[in-house]
Amino acid sequence: GNSVTQMEGPVTLSEEAFLTINCTYTATGYPSLFWYVQYPGEGLQLLLKATKADDKGSNKGFEATYRKETTSFHLEKGSVQVSDSAVYFCALNAAGNKLTFGGGTRVLVKP
Amino acid sequence: DAGVIQSPRHEVTEMGQEVTLRCKPISGHDYLFWYRQTMMRGLELLIYFNNNVPIDDSGMPEDRFSAKMPNASFSTLKIQPSEPRDSAVYFCASSWGQGPYNEQFFGPGTRLTVL
Repeated sequence: GNSVTQMEGPVTLSEEAFLTINCTYTATGYPSLFWYVQYPGEGLQLLLKATKADDKGSNKGFEATYRKETTSFHLEKGSVQVSDSAVYFCALNAAGNKLTFGGGTRVLVKP
Repeated sequence: DAGVIQSPRHEVTEMGQEVTLRCKPISGHDYLFWYRQTMMRGLELLIYFNNNVPIDDSGMPEDRFSAKMPNASFSTLKIQPSEPRDSAVYFCASSWGQGPYNEQFFGPGTRLTVL
């Protein structure tokens, strides 16, 4: 079946540090890949996505590249801010409209 | 658009009581999803609808849970009778169109506490 594995948190960083959250997946076919972000007390919202191999998704300074050869979609940001403190979810959609989510990674950015 | 609307935002009830959670999807969206989020199990898809018809309810934990979508602008998730292990945050999400690349838009969630 389909599955997503992402690094466990929490990840604690200082402001302006570099952030990487690892995500790997197992899926049949050629899934689309997503990163969602959940701010405290809110629902999930789409951060970025990539729909085919070697695509790079980007938004708000975050980037992730769809790597088919390593079945990975790692999230990166060069300089984090306190406002980036949230839980980040990696997800895939292999067919139809069902999303399979990873367990989430909590990120805490300290000033 | 106001986004996906869920009510209530918080619900506290006692074991054995019936609980009804409500969702209004974004206008024009033809897919609606119900998720449950807990610390132990993460984010789980319970059921989803297409054009008001349930497509996949394999994630519904047991017969105590039921979901309906009587029209394109309203859905309910009902738990009867409720148990303490049902305590979780329940999210509703909606999307438009068929395909693996479509974004799902999530509501703010309903935090359910069953005492």
